[in-house]
Amino acid sequence: DQQVKQNSPSLSVQEGRISILNCDYTNSMFDYFLWYKKYPAEGPTFLISISSIKDKNEDGRFTVFLNKSAKHLSLHIVPSQPGDSAVYFCAASEVGEKLTFGTGTRLTIIP
Amino acid sequence: GAVVSQHPSRVICKSGTSVKIECRSLDFQATTMFWYRQFPKQSLMLMATSNEGSKATYEQGVEKDKFLINHASLTLSTLTVTSAHPEDSSFYICSARGFQGASDTQYFGPGTRLTVL
Repeated sequence: DQQVKQNSPSLSVQEGRISILNCDYTNSMFDYFLWYKKYPAEGPTFLISISSIKDKNEDGRFTVFLNKSAKHLSLHIVPSQPGDSAVYFCAASEVGEKLTFGTGTRLTIIP
Repeated sequence: GAVVSQHPSRVICKSGTSVKIECRSLDFQATTMFWYRQFPKQSLMLMATSNEGSKATYEQGVEKDKFLINHASLTLSTLTVTSAHPEDSSFYICSARGFQGASDTQYFGPGTRLTVL
């Protein structure tokens, strides 16, 4: 049972445009959500998080939006840069509990 | 801040031998560390949760006698793959729980590529 889903395995975006990565979850008990970026043969790097009491969190070029009623979150990257090309994982947890990861979306930024 | 290191980054061993992987939180204390395994083109699979001073909690399907976890201090957890077989070849990643604002966040190590011949 995949509780966290990233339905797009890959995404290509022109440099300078907005990248939007989507994530859906099924467990209504999740109250903390995170996005990680991962390069091949490296560990994931924490990007940004959001708790369920918020619907938006912004950090530089990265913004995470949370729609609790739809059980959906998204990561916006603007403007997209070549260095953003990587696999992005969303993750969710109940506070203090283990993370459940999505399957990842490979983002490719086209120069 | 929130740096997690892993050692070694890459190891090749013969079938039947044991391999130890270290995970350290360098600038914070981590009462909880996690061990993941990643197969090619797949998501991270949680193997076990390691709590300092107590036994690890293993996920369903993970053999605790094969994957020995020790969390002896607030900055160090080790994973020992015992009697390694070629099917144990994988990318092993640890993470340590730290705090990001009011909520905890897992910070990941760089991973260890294990190849069993």
